Amino acid sequence: GENVEQHPSTLSVQEGDSAVIKCTYSDSASNYFPWYKQELGKRPQLIIDIRSNVGEKKDQRIAVTLNKTAKHFSLHITETQPEDSAVYFCAAPGDSSYKLIFGSGTRLLVRP
Amino acid sequence: EPEVTQTPSHQVTQMGQEVILRCVPISNHLYFYWYRQILGQKVEFLVSFYNNEISEKSEIFDDQFSVERPDGSNFTLKIRSTKLEDSAMYFCATTSADTDTQYFGPGTRLTVL
Repeated sequence: GENVEQHPSTLSVQEGDSAVIKCTYSDSASNYFPWYKQELGKRPQLIIDIRSNVGEKKDQRIAVTLNKTAKHFSLHITETQPEDSAVYFCAAPGDSSYKLIFGSGTRLLVRP
Repeated sequence: EPEVTQTPSHQVTQMGQEVILRCVPISNHLYFYWYRQILGQKVEFLVSFYNNEISEKSEIFDDQFSVERPDGSNFTLKIRSTKLEDSAMYFCATTSADTDTQYFGPGTRLTVL
């Protein structure tokens, strides 16, 4: 079946520290893995994505790693800032390319 | 930068009433999706739509739900007879033909009383 597991559900870090959020997926055919950031009452905003032909992608303070063998991918945020506080969702296509299956979300709090 | 738009931003309705939620996709996008998010929970897939027909739908998308693109620009989600448990944020998302990236609209908060 289609499933995306996400951990942890909440994460509190000190400003300047790193944050890591992990997801696992069930469908080995999945080939696209986006991460969305959602601030309170707002739409999910794509922050980074990775495709299965690469193992890592970086964009300034944000990076995503993918392990296709283990079927997991992770979001890494370095030098966290208070404005990074939000709910982060991972997603994967599931068993078709016509939808995204979302993880349960991680509430990140960056303490000033 | 082009954005997906949705109307209304907030809809309050009585149980049993019909509601229509509207989405205007980004102009060159061909794939359209509806998702819902119950307060404090994850985003859940409802339906995908391409070439004027449903590509895939979830178990949530039962007989009470329908989608259409009536005029070539708006993409609508209709709930025929709303239930209390339909209260949620409904997001439209769209994708172009040459990318997997789904761009989300700002959402419609549906409250069923």
